[in-house]
Amino acid sequence: KNQVEQSPQSLIILEGKNCTLQCNYTVSPFSNLRWYKQDTGRGPVSLTIMTFSENTKSNGRYTATLDADTKQSSLHITASQLSDSASYICVVSASWDLNRDDKIIFGKGTRLHILP
Amino acid sequence: GAVVSQHPSRVICKSGTSVKIECRSLDFQATTMFWYRQFPKQSLMLMATSNEGSKATYEQGVEKDKFLINHASLTLSTLTVTSAHPEDSSFYICSAASLSYEQYFGPGTRLTVT
Repeated sequence: KNQVEQSPQSLIILEGKNCTLQCNYTVSPFSNLRWYKQDTGRGPVSLTIMTFSENTKSNGRYTATLDADTKQSSLHITASQLSDSASYICVVSASWDLNRDDKIIFGKGTRLHILP
Repeated sequence: GAVVSQHPSRVICKSGTSVKIECRSLDFQATTMFWYRQFPKQSLMLMATSNEGSKATYEQGVEKDKFLINHASLTLSTLTVTSAHPEDSSFYICSAASLSYEQYFGPGTRLTVT
């Protein structure tokens, strides 16, 4: 069964600290993995997209890693800011063809709260 | 947890025909529903936001006459792709927001226009 599990469910950290969010998946055949940031009441914003051959990708203070062997991904946030308070969603696509998505599986997200 | 369903999960249609996609929130009332489109290797793109009982708000570049959205009840929103063309082939995903503004995503509908 295709599944995407994220941990922790919620996280509270102080401004300026680093944190790491986890995403484990059992999706086959794996095509790509995306991390999104979603502010309350808004649509998700893409942070990173990684395919099978990529094991790390950065976007500013966000760094995503992918271990296709263990089927794990992490999103590391450096020097957190108050504006980082949001839900972070891991989304995995399944397809035999890298040029199309046959199935998209959403994680339930991690709710991150940054305290001043 | 909250569940959002979409129907159909995949559909193939001929060019020029119309296709309706349903999005239902199964165990909560969704005051707002969002419709997204995702092309391969690209991120989700918000198409429109719909509030129950009122007209949908479309994002810039999305043709409201081509993508008809109806949010007739607190548990159902529909997206109709009118006069579909091959370039409309994509994954269409809905999400539903509860009163607490948490968003829950549907599993998506894969549309292929031949």
